[in-house]
Amino acid sequence: EVQVVESGGGFVNPGRSLRLSCTPSGFIFSDYVISWFRQAPGKGLEWVGFIGSKPYGGTIKSAAYVKGRFTFSRDDSKGIAYLQMNSLEIEDTAMYYCARAPPGPVAGTPYYFDYWGQGTLVTVSS
Amino acid sequence: DIQMTQSPSSLSASVGDRVTISCRASQSISTYLNWYQVKPGKAPKLLIYHAFTLQTGVPSRFSGSRSGTDFTLTISSLQPEDFATYYCQQSFSGPFTFAPGTKVHIE
Repeated sequence: EVQVVESGGGFVNPGRSLRLSCTPSGFIFSDYVISWFRQAPGKGLEWVGFIGSKPYGGTIKSAAYVKGRFTFSRDDSKGIAYLQMNSLEIEDTAMYYCARAPPGPVAGTPYYFDYWGQGTLVTVSS
Repeated sequence: DIQMTQSPSSLSASVGDRVTISCRASQSISTYLNWYQVKPGKAPKLLIYHAFTLQTGVPSRFSGSRSGTDFTLTISSLQPEDFATYYCQQSFSGPFTFAPGTKVHIE
């Protein structure tokens, strides 16, 4: 059974950092793209970025608002993906979700996200 | 960026009703359109991908269709577990964008 679990959320002051972890199970981790999404309170879903699988070069794509503040990484030997978030802003307050995606036929770019976790809450406030 | 719109933003329905949710892309996205179901405190769930393809394990009362840049999610007979918020999302080009969602309430 495929499962996805996020962890690492919490309360931080503006300008500080936080690292989220995504620990999926039930499939060969290294074969899949891992993507991050978020949902601010009372808002809709928003894509944050993804890190591709190694066979496709581990391509990283991210939303413009990340502005170099967020870093995506993965450790295939441990089966964990990370989202390092620096210079956090109040507007980054949200539930953060991790999701698996099969690599697509064009450079491994994913076309859909088939298993998601329940999320980890990040609150940025002074 | 490709803009996604959805209508209605919310609807009230009863168990057994046929429900349709519409989604429109601001430009052609071929069939790179996915539908997700989100419930509070639960993991978002993929329902349909590539506009028409039912994700494994999703009941057959859910279906998707397309006409140009307009897409529709249909629930043929609403069940109690279907009360949730539904989002369409395009994966034609980055950034992957979602529509604002449709909340399905119990009537």
